[in-house]
Amino acid sequence: TQLLEQSPQFLSIQEGENLTVYCNSSSVFSSLQWYRQEPGEGPVLLVTVVTGGEVKKLKRLTFQFGDARKDSSLHITAAQPGDTGLYLCAGFPRAGNNRKLIWGLGTSLAVNP
Amino acid sequence: DAGITQSPRHKVTETGTPVTLRCHQTENHRYMYWYRQDPGHGLRLIHYSYGVKDTDKGEVSDGYSVSRSKTEDFLLTLESATSSQTSVYFCAITQGQDQPQHFGDGTRLSIL
Repeated sequence: TQLLEQSPQFLSIQEGENLTVYCNSSSVFSSLQWYRQEPGEGPVLLVTVVTGGEVKKLKRLTFQFGDARKDSSLHITAAQPGDTGLYLCAGFPRAGNNRKLIWGLGTSLAVNP
Repeated sequence: DAGITQSPRHKVTETGTPVTLRCHQTENHRYMYWYRQDPGHGLRLIHYSYGVKDTDKGEVSDGYSVSRSKTEDFLLTLESATSSQTSVYFCAITQGQDQPQHFGDGTRLSIL
């Protein structure tokens, strides 16, 4: 059962555009994490959100955790080619095994110069 | 990287042969994980360990076994490799429950 739905699955944009990636679930999560993965490498943690309604900023990236802790979004302002990669959300369901992360399938982002 | 080394980085082998992948960490983290990543399926947990000699199954554990005799090493074994096990395998570590995971660079395994 896929508990975390990511959308869109693929996104191709021009440099300088803005974009938003979504991570949705019908389950409540105690925390959600966002990772970025580049070809030939493992995922790298970008941010963890814990509190419902929380907003975190990492340079041009803004992460939001929904008030009900069932969804999250990643907004990139003025995308750069260096933002290209696979963006993954993952989380620990509140009613579940907190040793095992639940993963979304990812959003593959291509930023064209 | 958080002190994680996977070996080998690439391997090509034949159906029916045994294969062992190694994950080595220098962070003294308690938890270690093995995932496989395939197009359309994302990251899927194979097995994980929550301490020396303490392991548990993930969602796709059939055909795989693991061992952890030391804190720093977590081995993944395919006893008799099949073509469906062709994949990219990632090891991850974490300090504790509810914590983010740090990944190795992966092993690309092809079974012909």
